[in-house]
Amino acid sequence: EIVLTQSPGTLSLSPGERATLSCRASQSVSSTYLAWYQQKPGQAPRLLIYGASSRATGIPDRFSGSGSGTDFTLTISRLEPEDFAVYYCQQYGSSDTFGGGTKVEIK
Amino acid sequence: QVQLQESGPGLVKPSETLSLTCTVSGASISRFSWSWIRQPVGEGLEWIGRIYTSGTTNYNPSLKSRVTMSVDASKNQFSLKATSVTAADTAVYYCARVVVTSYYYYGMDVWGQGTTVTVSS
Repeated sequence: EIVLTQSPGTLSLSPGERATLSCRASQSVSSTYLAWYQQKPGQAPRLLIYGASSRATGIPDRFSGSGSGTDFTLTISRLEPEDFAVYYCQQYGSSDTFGGGTKVEIK
Repeated sequence: QVQLQESGPGLVKPSETLSLTCTVSGASISRFSWSWIRQPVGEGLEWIGRIYTSGTTNYNPSLKSRVTMSVDASKNQFSLKATSVTAADTAVYYCARVVVTSYYYYGMDVWGQGTTVTVSS
């Protein structure tokens, strides 16, 4: 089973700042099989990024994904008030796994 | 607009079977793959399993011996059964649409609102 480790656990930032979230895999993951989700309290997760770097429908361009192999990154270029949430990476395979999540909170 | 709605008992007794259904509207269930994901209160997401258009299933290895997923195309629904439940199965359960081809994974792009299942006597 591929383990995804996200860091940091919590990111305290102000609106307008840049957020950089890391997702590290215990073994190589094809870029085509890596996705990112956003979850707000009391809501279902929302797909942000698939294929490591492609934005899902309706996702603003301040969200970007990058990486390959075992290291992937989600970047939010300028945080808007609605971006404060928990973010999960996920890998697809014979057994999918999610990372533990990164909480982006208001500083 | 594609919508998913989970349904099932909110309370299940220990050692009994948890049964949930996800009703799909706005899309033909036969054209996509489908997943179940759960989330204990205050914790992260745990993938439970997936059923492909072919009927092939993949399950989380830690749950594989207890879970079964199936599709009822006549009702545009898919379901999850988990046997021998314990308190550790208490969680919010989500169903989701999976968009995947033989060579590319487009993610889980539509999710249900989630349903809370509590395992308690």
